[in-house]
Amino acid sequence: GQSLEQPSEVTAVEGAIVQINCTYQTSGFYGLSWYQQHDGGAPTFLSYNALDGLEETGRFSSFLSRSDSYGYLLLQELQMKDSASYFCAVRDTNYGQNFVFGPGTRLSVLP
Amino acid sequence: DAGVTQSPTHLIKTRGQQVTLRCSPKSGHDTVSWYQQALGQGPQFIFQYYEEEERQRGNFPDRFSGHQFPNYSSELNVNALLLGDSALYLCASRNRGVNSPLHFGNGTRLTVT
Repeated sequence: GQSLEQPSEVTAVEGAIVQINCTYQTSGFYGLSWYQQHDGGAPTFLSYNALDGLEETGRFSSFLSRSDSYGYLLLQELQMKDSASYFCAVRDTNYGQNFVFGPGTRLSVLP
Repeated sequence: DAGVTQSPTHLIKTRGQQVTLRCSPKSGHDTVSWYQQALGQGPQFIFQYYEEEERQRGNFPDRFSGHQFPNYSSELNVNALLLGDSALYLCASRNRGVNSPLHFGNGTRLTVT
């Protein structure tokens, strides 16, 4: 089977750094993506890791360790607008390289 | 450049009825996937269409079917609606590039009463 785990909720203050972890189990791992979804909105793409290591895009960075079946999303200099749900998604060859999403982490940024 | 568009935005149906949801992919995209998102949960993969054929399917019953047209737009059909089918239905498109990300529409909120 296939499963992904993320913390259900994370709270942090403006300007802080927060890390959202994701662990996965699948025999068909091809890559790990992160998506952001604001309430009532569409999921939007943040990052993709196919190889081990850190990918940086502005205030957001994503890390992957395939040997540990683990990845994380790092958000720096948090802003109020970062309050949203964040989903890790595995690109899975068991699903024709389609993306299978985790349950999501709700991030609340406090003033 | 229009992104992914879905219609309708909201829909209310009764148990046992049938529903059709529509999706136009982002310009330049030829692959469409459909996801079901229950409240407070992550999107669940229903199926993917490419070249007008269903290429891959998630763990959904045959009541869920789809179609892709020559212009790459797509429809999701759900027959014999159940209360548990109430959810946000998301359409996502991408091109066939290896690392091409999914681009999502704003979804159709389906309520089954």
